[in-house]
Amino acid sequence: DAKTTQPTSMDCAEGRAANLPCNHSTISGNEYVYWYRQIHSQGPQYIIHGLKNNETNEMASLIITEDRKSSTLILPHATLRDTAVYYCIVRVPYGNKLVFGAGTILRVKS
Amino acid sequence: GAGVSQTPSNKVTEKGKYVELRCDPISGHTALYWYRQSLGQGPEFLIYFQGTGAADDSGLPNDRFFAVRPEGSVSTLKIQRTERGDSAVYLCASSFGQGEGNYEQYFGPGTRLTVT
Repeated sequence: DAKTTQPTSMDCAEGRAANLPCNHSTISGNEYVYWYRQIHSQGPQYIIHGLKNNETNEMASLIITEDRKSSTLILPHATLRDTAVYYCIVRVPYGNKLVFGAGTILRVKS
Repeated sequence: GAGVSQTPSNKVTEKGKYVELRCDPISGHTALYWYRQSLGQGPEFLIYFQGTGAADDSGLPNDRFFAVRPEGSVSTLKIQRTERGDSAVYLCASSFGQGEGNYEQYFGPGTRLTVT
């Protein structure tokens, strides 16, 4: 499985955009980039995923570089409820398990 | 609709005892996963079911851990001769599809197991 590298923690002001980076330099051509988050004492929650094109949904946007070696998750207007651990995961191509790293602790502050 | 549910939410047991943890997946989801999360770490994969069969049990740490899904819906994770190192939050997730599908996994709230 391709490994990912994320900063340990980040702070963001409430109402501002939160940009969470992820490096996945060993990603294979058929592997997707997934983002999950985990709010304290809850199970992980799916946010978004993509292969090579940028993606947007009601929660976030995912920007993947052209060489696919890194990506950025963007929360356009962060709220206090977005405080969580954010996991960037490269999907195992022929299995279904998710391989979680340590993630990025995002603290949204008022 | 109802999400993934797990029971009990908390379980305290003595070292050496047997425990069962239950997972009710989202209706219609054919795939079911178990993960374990220790304090301060990301979830760690244990086992994955497609229907009734275990498609990947490579994450089970040893033969004290066993999981079943006899009717392709509810699953039970069973731990024999519990050890203090088994203390963790046990997470269950479910999804549509199999194989090379990219269907997202929906997680339950977890069962916090404490072995004293």
